[in-house]
Amino acid sequence: GESVGLHLPTLSVQEGDNSIINCAYSNSASDYFIWYKQESGKGPQFIIDIRSNMDKRQGQRVTVLLNKTVKHLSLQIAATQPGDSAVYFCAEQGSSNTGKLIFGQGTTLQVKP
Amino acid sequence: DTEVTQTPKHLVMGMTNKKSLKCEQHMGHRAMYWYKQKAKKPPELMFVYSYEKLSINESVPSRFSPECPNSSLLNLHLHALQPEDSALYLCASSQVDREKREQYFGPGTRLTVT
Repeated sequence: GESVGLHLPTLSVQEGDNSIINCAYSNSASDYFIWYKQESGKGPQFIIDIRSNMDKRQGQRVTVLLNKTVKHLSLQIAATQPGDSAVYFCAEQGSSNTGKLIFGQGTTLQVKP
Repeated sequence: DTEVTQTPKHLVMGMTNKKSLKCEQHMGHRAMYWYKQKAKKPPELMFVYSYEKLSINESVPSRFSPECPNSSLLNLHLHALQPEDSALYLCASSQVDREKREQYFGPGTRLTVT
């Protein structure tokens, strides 16, 4: 069935290091993927997205990689800062574009000063 | 401006009460969503409105009743809720265009049912 999962529930990194958050998805028909950041007491905040016709997309300090062969998605955060501490969710959407997003379970990123 | 606003921020209601959650966006988005999020869990889709018409109902109990009065507003009417309905209720909006599908979320309404 459809599912989106993350490999690690918690990731702890040192300030200034790079962070890599991973996500596995099972629906090969999904053609759109999003990463969200959710801080405590707030709604999910859009970080970056990628379509299935791309392998890589870069934003400000963030990069998303998509490997369709193994159905794997990752979010890389360069020079991680304390303000990056949050829960990160990946989400997928099918090609029918009903608007339905399926979220992964989330990874908590802890940045140590 | 990518802001979605939700009111109230917090709501405590008894099981016999009737209340409403409100959501508003002024980004010209024609798709709007309600999600439910329990603590330490991902958001779960409840309803999708597209062009002010309900397009997806994820088998949500009838004690939750959505309404989309116009393209900027989305309501969620609550009646006879159960304590297990306590959660963060998130509203989101997006364009309907296949090329611009990112959903923008509001801050949520923290609902407690007593």
